[in-house]
Amino acid sequence: DAGITQSPRHKVTETGTPVTLRCHQTENHRYMYWYRQDPGHGLRLIHYSYGVKDTDKGEVSDGYSVSRSKTEDFLLTLESATSSQTSVYFCAISGGQGLGQPQHFGDGTRLSIL
Amino acid sequence: GENVEQHPSTLSVQEGDSAVIKCTYSDSASNYFPWYKQELGKGPQLIIDIRSNVGEKKDQRIAVTLNKTAKHFSLHITETQPEDSAVYFCAACSGNTPLVFGKGTRLSVIA
Repeated sequence: DAGITQSPRHKVTETGTPVTLRCHQTENHRYMYWYRQDPGHGLRLIHYSYGVKDTDKGEVSDGYSVSRSKTEDFLLTLESATSSQTSVYFCAISGGQGLGQPQHFGDGTRLSIL
Repeated sequence: GENVEQHPSTLSVQEGDSAVIKCTYSDSASNYFPWYKQELGKGPQLIIDIRSNVGEKKDQRIAVTLNKTAKHFSLHITETQPEDSAVYFCAACSGNTPLVFGKGTRLSVIA
């Protein structure tokens, strides 16, 4: 399995609080991604990174920010969490050139916002 | 942007039968089409992928076919087993934009 670790694996927090999810990889892959998974919606891209300090928005980026200060770490931050951000969050990585490469996923973070 | 439609949303088959899941895409520039299997409590796992320069690819009991003209691709699982029960996702991308996923198919293999 690709070396991807997501932390925490579960989190419960209150509306309005800041939340940061971490994705750590040991594969030295260039690309890293954050997705959210909700019933009936499949996997939707929040943000992705194509290098250190290089990030771009995905389909559902509103309310989320990301940072990548090192190749191995990609952080997802909810500045002020809302109940609509309750979801399962997945990190993925891919190597090679370009975005059309196999992605490998972590096991997810289940986030509940009350 | 790319839009991927996946059908059916649920599929039940008897053990030993075949299962077929179909996806359509909208962007004619898309050239990479992976399939993922997701088991309960786990992240999606890549099971097979195909690029636009081939029409079919097989790996043991699974195969993927691609029809570029019609802009659709399909996953075929033969001789299904209970451990094939999972949610399957298709996806598409052009290489210049990120993968876009279908909404998933829940496959149940009945012993």
